[in-house]
Amino acid sequence: QQQVKQSPQSLIVQKGGISIINCAYENTAFDYFPWYQQFPGKGPALLIAIRPDVSEKKEGRFTISFNKSAKQFSLHIMDSQPGDSATYFCAASIRGKLIFGQGTELSVKP
Amino acid sequence: DVKVTQSSRYLVKRTGEKVFLECVQDMDHENMFWYRQDPGLGLRLIYFSYDVKMKEKGDIPEGYSVSREKKERFSLILESASTNQTSMYLCASEHQRDTQYFGPGTRLTVL
Repeated sequence: QQQVKQSPQSLIVQKGGISIINCAYENTAFDYFPWYQQFPGKGPALLIAIRPDVSEKKEGRFTISFNKSAKQFSLHIMDSQPGDSATYFCAASIRGKLIFGQGTELSVKP
Repeated sequence: DVKVTQSSRYLVKRTGEKVFLECVQDMDHENMFWYRQDPGLGLRLIYFSYDVKMKEKGDIPEGYSVSREKKERFSLILESASTNQTSMYLCASEHQRDTQYFGPGTRLTVL
């Protein structure tokens, strides 16, 4: 089964804290791992992505950590801000098709 | 600027009605996708298309069909709407196998 499992389902973090969202996958044929961010009333938008030949990718306050042997990857949001409050989806791609995780609703409290 | 538009933000239909959801992209992208989004289930792929008049089944195609007569337009059709098709429907487009760009979604309620 081509599944991507995401946790936690919801997350509350204080302003300035670190938000961590985890994903695990089964299929070793996945070749691209994006994270999407969705604000209420909007469609998801690409936030950051990684390919399995690197273990980490950082863009500003957002970092993906990738563990190929464990078949896990995670999103870290440093210095979390109230404006980061949104739903986050991990995904994995196989032959151009995206398989999404279940989503994490992040709330950053001021 | 990249733009994917969907014909309606909110739609209410009755059980058994035929429902059309329209999606238009202005980026000349080859690939287009239809997903449904449900709480706790994430986004699930219904159908996709890599070219005009071409369509492929996604992971949950049952009860749906699609049409792509022009490159910029991809329609999702519910032949006979049922209550379990109440959901948020998201359209996306993509250039080759690059980033998928999503529309704002259509929240469909089937009574």
